[in-house]
Amino acid sequence: GAGVSQSPSNKVTEKGKDVELRCDPISGHTALYWYRQSLGQGLEFLIYFQGNSAPDKSGLPSDRFSAERTGGSVSTLTIQRTQQEDSAVYLCASSPDPSSYEQYFGPGTRLTVT
Amino acid sequence: AQSVTQPDIHITVSEGASLELRCNYSYGATPYLFWYVQSPGQGLQLLLKYFSGDTLVQGIKGFEAEFKRSQSSFNLRKPSVHWSDAAEYFCAVGPERNDMRFGAGTRLTVKP
Repeated sequence: GAGVSQSPSNKVTEKGKDVELRCDPISGHTALYWYRQSLGQGLEFLIYFQGNSAPDKSGLPSDRFSAERTGGSVSTLTIQRTQQEDSAVYLCASSPDPSSYEQYFGPGTRLTVT
Repeated sequence: AQSVTQPDIHITVSEGASLELRCNYSYGATPYLFWYVQSPGQGLQLLLKYFSGDTLVQGIKGFEAEFKRSQSSFNLRKPSVHWSDAAEYFCAVGPERNDMRFGAGTRLTVKP
């Protein structure tokens, strides 16, 4: 079946602009995660959605970052007033149920802020 | 708080040679441990995981890992590396699904 998809695959934006990154999880997966992968760094947890529960936003680095998940499916990560340090690969992952640790990752969106 | 260290940033091995990638973790209780692989331009794929029980776990693509509590390690091994194994490998630890910590990764290059 279809895996996790993300769009766009690459995004170049000017400093100060807003960007939206999209994630389509695997159908039926209740959990959805956003991570940030900077060059030479591991994955940095950003936000976690589980069903209809309030999302865990504890990993968001600043109030310029926000995310929503509509209808328990598609998620959008929004970065307002982008800064150069926001340049990274943003990865989305989904998981089939609350007890599963197995996360299925999308290919990521490479964001470059110039 | 839990953390993961992958001491080797880059490793080069010859095709057919054995491989061991190191992972050390810090966590107070028994952790959940994972190895993921990321091929260029791809997302991460789970290779194997350890929750409890047998400390030697088998994964996909011929990989295995051994949990050693006394050394706080979870090293990944493969007896004979193939050119297609060239990728970035990430170790992760987590008691919580949304609080998993990933290492910085080890890039594997395979020489013909």
